[in-house]
Amino acid sequence: EAGVVQSPRYKIIEKKQPVAFWCNPISGHNTLYWYRQNLGQGPELLIRYENEEAVDDSQLPKDRFSAERLKGVDSTLKIQPAELGDSAVYLCASSPGANVLTFGAGSRLTVL
Amino acid sequence: GESVGLHLPTLSVQEGDNSIINCAYSNSASDYFIWYKQESGKGPQFIIDIRSNMDKRQGQRVTVLLNKTVKHLSLQIAATQPGDSAVYFCAENPRTDKLIFGTGTRLQVFP
Repeated sequence: EAGVVQSPRYKIIEKKQPVAFWCNPISGHNTLYWYRQNLGQGPELLIRYENEEAVDDSQLPKDRFSAERLKGVDSTLKIQPAELGDSAVYLCASSPGANVLTFGAGSRLTVL
Repeated sequence: GESVGLHLPTLSVQEGDNSIINCAYSNSASDYFIWYKQESGKGPQFIIDIRSNMDKRQGQRVTVLLNKTVKHLSLQIAATQPGDSAVYFCAENPRTDKLIFGTGTRLQVFP
């Protein structure tokens, strides 16, 4: 089993540029999460999907962040335009229900 | 200058010793807790979980203790090995299907 797959692993962009991250969850996992992890801190939830429905996006900065999970499988997280403070690791996780999340390796974003 | 967030609490232990990593959680309504291990450049990896109707749970070389009275969680690692070196996070679920992660503790294992 491949686990949760994320790409790209690393991305360096200049501020005001757009960026997108992709996540392929574990097969059969209906719940998908996007977390942001700042350096030296624990992950913070951005958005949670149950199948294709975003059931918790209260922490997603909607002015510049967007996410989609059109067919209830893969998901993309987009930032447009990126700001310096967006530099972080963006983690995708999936679970078959609640609680025990399996995380991907993350996408490290550096905004210059 | 450096962000305060860079200064993770650090526990340094000698290989073979036991490690105890502590966590204070915030929400008395939380009924489920997980410990995750995160190695450099990787995502958090599940170690062990415990529900609020228990006060102790054991896995392979790891034990989680839960004290609901003082809202405290600990992870004990027996016979710590170099491969245990990582950052350890506790996470709580305050009955909202949303895991809330703590700040993390860096475990360093010396030979």
